[in-house]
Amino acid sequence: EAGVAQSPRYKIIEKRQSVAFWCNPISGHATLYWYQQILGQGPKLLIQFQNNGVVDDSQLPKDRFSAERLKGVDSTLKIQPAKLEDSAVYLCASSLSRGEKTDTQYFGPGTRLTVL
Amino acid sequence: AQTVTQSQPEMSVQEAETVTLSCTYDTSESDYYLFWYKQPPSRQMILVIRQEAYKQQNATENRFSVNFQKAAKSFSLKISDSQLGDAAMYFCAYMEYGNKLVFGAGTILRVKS
Repeated sequence: EAGVAQSPRYKIIEKRQSVAFWCNPISGHATLYWYQQILGQGPKLLIQFQNNGVVDDSQLPKDRFSAERLKGVDSTLKIQPAKLEDSAVYLCASSLSRGEKTDTQYFGPGTRLTVL
Repeated sequence: AQTVTQSQPEMSVQEAETVTLSCTYDTSESDYYLFWYKQPPSRQMILVIRQEAYKQQNATENRFSVNFQKAAKSFSLKISDSQLGDAAMYFCAYMEYGNKLVFGAGTILRVKS
């Protein structure tokens, strides 16, 4: 079974530029998550999708961050314009969500963003 | 808001020995889940073990076991017979209904040969 795929693996941009990350979850997984992991910290949830609807985006900086999940499969996370403090690893995860109280989340390899 | 605290930024263990990583959390909920995730230098986060709060029995997965103390809100991970491949960042995480994970800051585990 293929795991969660993410691209690109690394990205370096200047501040005020825009950047987009892509995630392909495990086939059949209904729930998709984007996390931000700043160096030395644990991952922090940015947004959670159930199929193509947003479940939780309370910690997403909506003035510069946006995310979508078209057709309930792939997802993109965009930052526009980027700030220095956005330098982090962006992790995508997915879970089956069969209606059980909780599902194991499976993580992708992440995208390391450096903002100069 | 729920918080997860890992008080050990870094730990070292000799190969084949046992090490315990600490985790405490804060919640007012009675029904929740706790996890330990491993993140090797390649960055792929891998689930190590999970514990359901309503189960009194401590979870075990081969060389990995937990000591879950619900009243003390403590959830430590014990790694027995440590191997070089166990070297990684370990994250403790709390999940409540709705699948939202709250992570601690992590503990770097170094394994000496």
